[in-house]
Amino acid sequence: GNSVTQMEGPVTLSEEAFLTINCTYTATGYPSLFWYVQYPGEGLQLLLKATKADDKGSNKGFEATYRKETTSFHLEKGSVQVSDSAVYFCALKYDTDKLIFGTGTRLQVFP
Amino acid sequence: NAGVTQTPKFQVLKTGQSMTLQCAQDMNHEYMSWYRQDPGMGLRLIHYSVGAGITDQGEVPNGYNVSRSTTEDFPLRLLSAAPSQTSVYFCASSYRGAGAVNEQFFGPGTRLTVL
Repeated sequence: GNSVTQMEGPVTLSEEAFLTINCTYTATGYPSLFWYVQYPGEGLQLLLKATKADDKGSNKGFEATYRKETTSFHLEKGSVQVSDSAVYFCALKYDTDKLIFGTGTRLQVFP
Repeated sequence: NAGVTQTPKFQVLKTGQSMTLQCAQDMNHEYMSWYRQDPGMGLRLIHYSVGAGITDQGEVPNGYNVSRSTTEDFPLRLLSAAPSQTSVYFCASSYRGAGAVNEQFFGPGTRLTVL
């Protein structure tokens, strides 16, 4: 079946530090992959996406590359800000519309 | 555009009570879905709909009913609330263009507590 595994949090960083949040997946076929972000008290927002192997999604300084050989889609940012503090969810899309989510990783950035 | 709206924002129920969580979108999206978010479990799909008059079960449908009489609205009904249904509920919608990988837009959520 389909599943998404992401690293447990919380991830605690100082401002301007480098961020990596690991995400691996199991899927039949070639799913599209997503990172969503949830700020406190809000719904989820799409951060970036990739639709096929070797695609790189990017947005707001965040990047993730679709790696078919390692079934991974790790999220990275070179220099985090306090405003990046949120919960990040990795997800894959199957059956045209359905999403399956990882458990989420809380990021806390301190000045 | 208001996007995806949900009401109420918060709700407390007693075991056995019924209620309806409302969800509406003004983007003319065909696909709508309901998720529940529980600590340490991410979001899990409850029910979904690919258009008016068409609904189907997701991963955790037990205890919930849905209907889709219009494109805009997709209410979620709890017929007899149980403490295990204490959760945060999110509604989402997306366009279903052929061949496209379409973003799902999420509402702000409803926090439900069942005592």
